[in-house]
Amino acid sequence: GAVVSQHPSRVICKSGTSVKIECRSLDFQATTMFWYRQFPKKSLMLMATSNEGSKATYEQGVEKDKFLINHASLTLSTLTVTSAHPEDSSFYICSARGQGSSYNSPLHFGNGTRLTVT
Amino acid sequence: AQSVTQLDSHVSVSEGTPVLLRCNYSSSYSPSLFWYVQHPNKGLQLLLKYTSAATLVKGINGFEAEFKKSETSFHLTKPSAHMSDAAEYFCVVTRGVSSASKIIFGSGTRLSIRP
Repeated sequence: GAVVSQHPSRVICKSGTSVKIECRSLDFQATTMFWYRQFPKKSLMLMATSNEGSKATYEQGVEKDKFLINHASLTLSTLTVTSAHPEDSSFYICSARGQGSSYNSPLHFGNGTRLTVT
Repeated sequence: AQSVTQLDSHVSVSEGTPVLLRCNYSSSYSPSLFWYVQHPNKGLQLLLKYTSAATLVKGINGFEAEFKKSETSFHLTKPSAHMSDAAEYFCVVTRGVSSASKIIFGSGTRLSIRP
């Protein structure tokens, strides 16, 4: 159980276009989802926390208008990279915490999305 | 604020020998600590977690970790390394005590296994 599906796994787009990444909890309801960015051979950097039905909370230094996060339902959160540039190329990973989970419950992670902007 | 420091960016061991991946934490209260593993271009898999029930925590694939408050450490160990253990390992701490608490990652340790 507790499967998180992230789609697409890989995407290549041209500079200036927008890309949407989906994160779905398949067998549980996720009240909170987290979006991370991972640079090559680096750790995961928390970008934002999204709660179902409310605005996302962004970490310091993350551009809200560039990385649009929507958490419209208890099973789906989306990250849209707007007007993508080559420096946005990275590995993006989502994770989810189930409804009713406590603060020390482990997160369930998607398999990540490799974004390449040409 | 809660944080974790992984002391080694890269560890290399021979197959069949013990593995030790070091992690120190900083927390103003009793922390929740986790170890995750990430294989190349993949998501993360939970190895084990500590939430104050027992100081020695056993996880999957033969891994275990011991919480030592006096040393503020949560090192990951395995008695005998296998080639399939080669991956990136992250020590993680929870920041906050609500359901929206954040999970903060250490810098990671790349484990290589020599045949």
